[in-house]
Amino acid sequence: DAGVTQSPTHLIKTRGQQVTLRCSPKSGHDTVSWYQQALGQGPQFIFQYYEEEERQRGNFPDRFSGHQFPNYSSELNVNALWLGDSALYLCASSLAGDKQETQYFGPGTRLLVL
Amino acid sequence: LAKTTQPISMDSYEGQEVNITCSHNNIATNDYITWYQQFPSQGPRFIIQGYKTKVTNEVASLFIPADRKSSTLSLPRVSLSDTAVYYCLVGGVYDTGRRALTFGSGTRLQVQP
Repeated sequence: DAGVTQSPTHLIKTRGQQVTLRCSPKSGHDTVSWYQQALGQGPQFIFQYYEEEERQRGNFPDRFSGHQFPNYSSELNVNALWLGDSALYLCASSLAGDKQETQYFGPGTRLLVL
Repeated sequence: LAKTTQPISMDSYEGQEVNITCSHNNIATNDYITWYQQFPSQGPRFIIQGYKTKVTNEVASLFIPADRKSSTLSLPRVSLSDTAVYYCLVGGVYDTGRRALTFGSGTRLQVQP
């Protein structure tokens, strides 16, 4: 049973560039959430996708956008990168209709913006 | 979403039982309580989840009193590999959509030999 996978594991970009991160949910899951975790802090919710639509969004600017594909995998896009976007980006998957809505996390993508 | 409060850090020794308490005074009726463990540069790992009373699995126990305004994660006989940050989260499925998790700063557990 494959868990949540993310790619790439590490990425280095420069200010102003754009980046795309990818996530494949745990087998059987249909909902994907994205989180940003700065060094020494807890993960912060970016947005959540279900049925290929953004269902909830945290306090992040429009530079952060996403997409969910018919196979439930998802992408996170960040435009016009700032130095402050350097963080560990986490993807979590869950199953809609599960009353407890337990989310399982992937290993993350470490993004460094220079 | 309900706010949670946990100790910033805790120290323990190998073989001891560790109890981490989380307060969540404004927990809602629909909310579940979930604990995650996170090692540096890794994604949070689900430990345990509960709604009320006591839940036990192969790695931990979760104690929730009747008023549900707090919860305690119990780790029996910790080892060095249990050194990590532990997050307590409260949330549920809301009418507005699916659930988002709100992480606090967590509790940094340091296990000494």
